[in-house]
Amino acid sequence: GAVVSQHPSWVICKSGTSVKIECRSLDFQATTMFWYRQFPKQSLMLMATSNEGSKATYEQGVEKDKFLINHASLTLSTLTVTSAHPEDSSFYICSARGGQGTDTQYFGPGTRLTVL
Amino acid sequence: AQKITQTQPGMFVQEKEAVTLDCTYDTSDPSYGLFWYKQPSSGEMIFLIYQGSYDQQNATEGRYSLNFQKARKSANLVISASQLGDSAMYFCAMREGLNGANNLFFGTGTRLTVIP
Repeated sequence: GAVVSQHPSWVICKSGTSVKIECRSLDFQATTMFWYRQFPKQSLMLMATSNEGSKATYEQGVEKDKFLINHASLTLSTLTVTSAHPEDSSFYICSARGGQGTDTQYFGPGTRLTVL
Repeated sequence: AQKITQTQPGMFVQEKEAVTLDCTYDTSDPSYGLFWYKQPSSGEMIFLIYQGSYDQQNATEGRYSLNFQKARKSANLVISASQLGDSAMYFCAMREGLNGANNLFFGTGTRLTVIP
């Protein structure tokens, strides 16, 4: 199946710093990627939909200036958490729609962010 | 209203037995897709099975089958011959419309524990 990678898999940072998370589709081109966050023992909440070459579409309540998303190529999308605070600590997961016309979304392994 | 409802926060099953995880959905769109994902403790979301709203037959993938009852708007996952490695969170999800760029709505998940 299609493979999506994320880097880093975990990161610890100080409050006030910015963190960039990369999401790559390894064996297919993804015109659309999605970013989710998941709090412990909760479901995935969609943050934004990222389309290659255009601005991301953010869900209601998600601050676009805090969570910067760039989808510069068909295989790479990045999420930057700017001026991170402890409440931003979460599990961030990206997904990409599978290539070859499939309807399936394939997920990356996730990035666990801890802000001290 | 919730798009996806999973009413079982936790389920237990004896190894080698079958188990059904419930999922009901709510949509007025005649075109939609239903997905099941498995999330082990490591965090990655693993795609299990897909059912399209126009599919006549229930989807099957190895030990996984989807009991699709359109009139009742339910899409239960059946896992046959449970294995210890099946212990994980299971999420039901739905995408409305035929556009693969539409996002997935996730249920709250069911934690399955397989007992030796």
